[in-house]
Amino acid sequence: GQNIDQPTEMTATEGAIVQINCTYQTSGFNGLFWYQQHAGEAPTFLSYNVLDGLEEKGRFSSFLSRSKGYSYLLLKELQMKDSASYLCAVIDSNYQLIWGAGTKLIIKP
Amino acid sequence: IAGITQAPTSQILAAGRRMTLRCTQDMRHNAMYWYRQDLGLGLRLIHYSNTAGTTGKGEVPDGYSVSRANTDDFPLTLASAVPSQTSVYFCASSGTGHTDTQYFGPGTRLTVL
Repeated sequence: GQNIDQPTEMTATEGAIVQINCTYQTSGFNGLFWYQQHAGEAPTFLSYNVLDGLEEKGRFSSFLSRSKGYSYLLLKELQMKDSASYLCAVIDSNYQLIWGAGTKLIIKP
Repeated sequence: IAGITQAPTSQILAAGRRMTLRCTQDMRHNAMYWYRQDLGLGLRLIHYSNTAGTTGKGEVPDGYSVSRANTDDFPLTLASAVPSQTSVYFCASSGTGHTDTQYFGPGTRLTVL
């Protein structure tokens, strides 16, 4: 079966750095997305990785290792507004998007 | 309209009733999707449409039907609602490419009693 694993919940302090991990076992790989979802709202696009390595976009960076079936989302200089769920999703060999259950990130002052 | 809109925002429905959730996009995206999101579970694909006039089944299609008469609209119908269909429903759209980013509507919160 296809599976995406993320921690259910993480807590971090305002101003700090946090890394949210995602491991996947899917039938093939055609890219990986990270989305942010605030409570009661729709998911919004953060990043897309298809090649190994680090993609940096402001305070957010996303890393991919295809050989390890692993990605992480790195959030720097955390702000209270970063409190949200972060969803990892993988495009499989049939170009279906497989979603993880999401990681709820709680930011404390 | 800007992006994707969904209606209604929320709805309480008696079991056995028929309900249509509406979704409209103005981005001229070819592909559209319906997901349900339940606590502790990832987004699960119900139905999708790669282009107007075509539809396909996702992971959890039973009890739901869709149509795609034109590019902009992609309604989801529950023929006879059951309590297990209580969920938050998101419509999304993307461009033609299989790896294009999906953009989501604001969601419909449906409660079936």
